[in-house]
Amino acid sequence: EDKVVQSPLSLVVHEGDTVTLNCSYEVTNFRSLLWYKQEKKAPTFLFMLTSSGIEKKSGRLSSILDKKELFSILNITATQTGDSAVYLCAVLTGAGSYQLTFGKGTKLSVIP
Amino acid sequence: ETGVTQSPTHLIKTRGQQVTLRCSSQSGHNTVSWYQQALGQGPQFIFQYYREEENGRGNFPPRFSGLQFPNYSSELNVNALELDDSALYLCASSVAGRYEQYFGPGTRLTVT
Repeated sequence: EDKVVQSPLSLVVHEGDTVTLNCSYEVTNFRSLLWYKQEKKAPTFLFMLTSSGIEKKSGRLSSILDKKELFSILNITATQTGDSAVYLCAVLTGAGSYQLTFGKGTKLSVIP
Repeated sequence: ETGVTQSPTHLIKTRGQQVTLRCSSQSGHNTVSWYQQALGQGPQFIFQYYREEENGRGNFPPRFSGLQFPNYSSELNVNALELDDSALYLCASSVAGRYEQYFGPGTRLTVT
């Protein structure tokens, strides 16, 4: 059975801190790893990582994938209160039909 | 915001009843996937539709069924509702062969 594990499950930091969120996986037919941010309802797409060792960046957020060790990290620098959300890691698997297997998420709370 | 829309926003049903949830995919997207997200959990894959046919299914019983229409919109039907079906139901649209999936705002279903 495909499995995605995120850690920590929750995190409280002060504005300006840097955080690292972890995601490890054990799946068959790996295609890609995706990060989403979920504030209220709809998960919003952050990154898609397909190749090992290539960092993706968007503003203060960055992510990297290690396909040998089967994990990914999401970094957020200079955190702001608007970064407070649940961050979901999902692995896309399949052949012909692609499905996402999600971790439970990391709940990040940024306090002023 | 993605162009994926879902209706209704909220729904309250009684155990044993049937429910239909609707999803309109983002323009240009021909594949729709449905996910169930219980409180405090990551979304779980229910099934995917492509070219009006089911194209992959997760570990959900047959009372969860779906449809896709020629305009790529989709319905999720759940029969004989159980209390454990209470969850946020998310649909995600994508282009066949592409990995990124974009989520709608979800329908919050409460079964009493």
